[in-house]
Amino acid sequence: TQLLKQSPQFLSIQEGENLTVYCNSSSVFSSLQWYRQEPGEGPVLLVTVVTGGEVKKLKRLTFQFGDARKDSSLHITAAQTGDTGLYLCAGGSTGGFKTIFGAGTRLFVKA
Amino acid sequence: NAGVTQTPKFRVLKTGQSMTLLCAQDMNHEYMYWYRQDPGMGLRLIHYSVGEGTTAKGEVPDGYNVSRLKKQNFLLGLESAAPSQTSVYFCASSPIRTGINIQYFGAGTRLSVL
Repeated sequence: TQLLKQSPQFLSIQEGENLTVYCNSSSVFSSLQWYRQEPGEGPVLLVTVVTGGEVKKLKRLTFQFGDARKDSSLHITAAQTGDTGLYLCAGGSTGGFKTIFGAGTRLFVKA
Repeated sequence: NAGVTQTPKFRVLKTGQSMTLLCAQDMNHEYMYWYRQDPGMGLRLIHYSVGEGTTAKGEVPDGYNVSRLKKQNFLLGLESAAPSQTSVYFCASSPIRTGINIQYFGAGTRLSVL
């Protein structure tokens, strides 16, 4: 059974601080996605990483896929209150159409 | 551009009642999914469909049935609701793209079973 473990489960920081959240597995994934979910809404895709070692940047967010394609990290620089939400990582397997989701990291950025 | 639309948004049921959750997508996606989201447990797959007329069981299918009579619609049914089915239900759709399964989600249905 493929599992994705996210850490930390909960993070509360001040506006302007940097943070990193992690997504780890013992399984290899063909791709990994990061989603953000706000209260009362469904998850929305932030990024997809496909190649081991790949780094993608989305404004203040930096995403990295591990070399072995088993783990990923999301780094936020100078967090803003608008970054508050639940961050979910999700892994896909080659030839498959099902996605495994982590339990998420709930981020709260205080003004 | 509606994307994925779920109805209803909220529902309260009594134990033993039945209901159907509706999901419609206007992106011509082949794949559709039903998940439930519970605190601390992430999204768990209930049932999914890889095309019109086909359905398959996911991780937690017991107590639920689904149908996909039209490509754009995916229905989730609860025949006899139980308190353990209190949850937030999300529908998602995805285009065919081998190994990169990007999913587009609806806004969710919050269901309480008393």
